[in-house]
Amino acid sequence: DAKTTQPNSMESNEEEPVHLPCNHSTISGTDYIHWYRQLPSQGPEYVIHGLTSNVNNRMASLAIAEDRKSSTLILHRATLRDAAVYYCILRDGRGIIQGAQKLVFGQGTRLTINP
Amino acid sequence: GAGVSQSPSNKVTEKGKDVELRCDPISGHTALYWYRQSLGQGLEFLIYFQGNSAPDKSGLPSDRFSAERTGGSVSTLTIQRTQQEDSAVYLCASSSQGGFHTEAFFGQGTRLTVV
Repeated sequence: DAKTTQPNSMESNEEEPVHLPCNHSTISGTDYIHWYRQLPSQGPEYVIHGLTSNVNNRMASLAIAEDRKSSTLILHRATLRDAAVYYCILRDGRGIIQGAQKLVFGQGTRLTINP
Repeated sequence: GAGVSQSPSNKVTEKGKDVELRCDPISGHTALYWYRQSLGQGLEFLIYFQGNSAPDKSGLPSDRFSAERTGGSVSTLTIQRTQQEDSAVYLCASSSQGGFHTEAFFGQGTRLTVV
């Protein structure tokens, strides 16, 4: 599996934007970039995913570099409830092949939001 | 229910005993995943089901671990002769397909403590 690199931790203030970086220099042309987050004492939850173009949804935006070797998850206005571990994951898009379906979680970025 | 349901939520067992952990996926979801998360660690993939078959069992740590899925729905993870290092939160997730384009929904997990 292609690997991702994220900072261990980040800190931000409430109601300010947060930019969470992810490096994936060995990404292949068929890898999708997925983001999940895990709130304290809960299972992970899906945030967003994309392939090449920037993506927006109600939770966040995903900005993907032109060479696709990095991406940034953007929380436009952080709240205390956004404090979580954020995982950037590459998922093989080459159809249904064995092992291609699992999500491989790294250590993620622990985001702290200050009131 | 609307989400992935896991039972029990907490389990304390004596070393050497067998335990069964249950996962009820979202109705109609064909893909089901088991992960475990040790204290303060990331998520470790265990096994993936597509329907009732398990095309990827690569994460099962030893032959003491097994899992089955019946009727394309409920799954049971069984740990035989439990050891203290098996203590962790066991998480189950399901998705409508196994492919790259769909999000996985996680349950709240079963916290297993082996004493």
